Amino acid sequence: DTGVSQDPRHKITKRGQNVTFRCDPISEHNRLYWYRQTLGQGPEFLTYFQNEAQLEKSRLLSDRFSAERPKGSFSTLEIQRTEQGDSAMYLCASSLNGPAGNTIYFGEGSWLTVV
Amino acid sequence: GQNIDQPTEMTATEGAIVQINCTYQTSGFNGLFWYQQHAGEAPTFLSYNVLDGLEEKGRFSSFLSRSKGYSYLLLKELQMKDSASYLCAVRDFNDYKLSFGAGTTVTVRA
Repeated sequence: DTGVSQDPRHKITKRGQNVTFRCDPISEHNRLYWYRQTLGQGPEFLTYFQNEAQLEKSRLLSDRFSAERPKGSFSTLEIQRTEQGDSAMYLCASSLNGPAGNTIYFGEGSWLTVV
Repeated sequence: GQNIDQPTEMTATEGAIVQINCTYQTSGFNGLFWYQQHAGEAPTFLSYNVLDGLEEKGRFSSFLSRSKGYSYLLLKELQMKDSASYLCAVRDFNDYKLSFGAGTTVTVRA
């Protein structure tokens, strides 16, 4: 399978705990994105990387959220001191800068439930 | 930023045609995408329009009018498996991320 993969797929955590999600993009893709989606809404942009550089962060990304892509391949999204409002599906996506329109392909998502 | 509007829900009969409209406002348009999302799953890419006109791909077609800030996704010969949420997304000029509408939930009935 050469698609975007995310781990874990599901995470239940207690309020106040830290969680980390991992994303492995499609291998040749240089751009990687994190989105968050709640029930009945479309995905909301959080941040994106081109290679290892984090080029944009949404104001939705509070100080408790941090994302890295240290070698320009996989990425991690960490949420510190989780709150119930953080419960959502966290989607990773990747794309390639090229003539094909820069289509963004999504992974299966990581479901977070904060109790 | 963008303001993207699409209907919340639509219902249609198996074998019929459904048209999902999407209107958007953006400071600099650089492409419109449609994604399909089944409940609990990730969005999957359906179509991309950057120039005016109709793009056809099997049972699905997508239309764009840049001057009107308008697109539609046409689903023909509906099947039960087409029951899903359909997301309209817009890319700004000189930007790489997509901004999504809230999605249109399509229910196909027998």
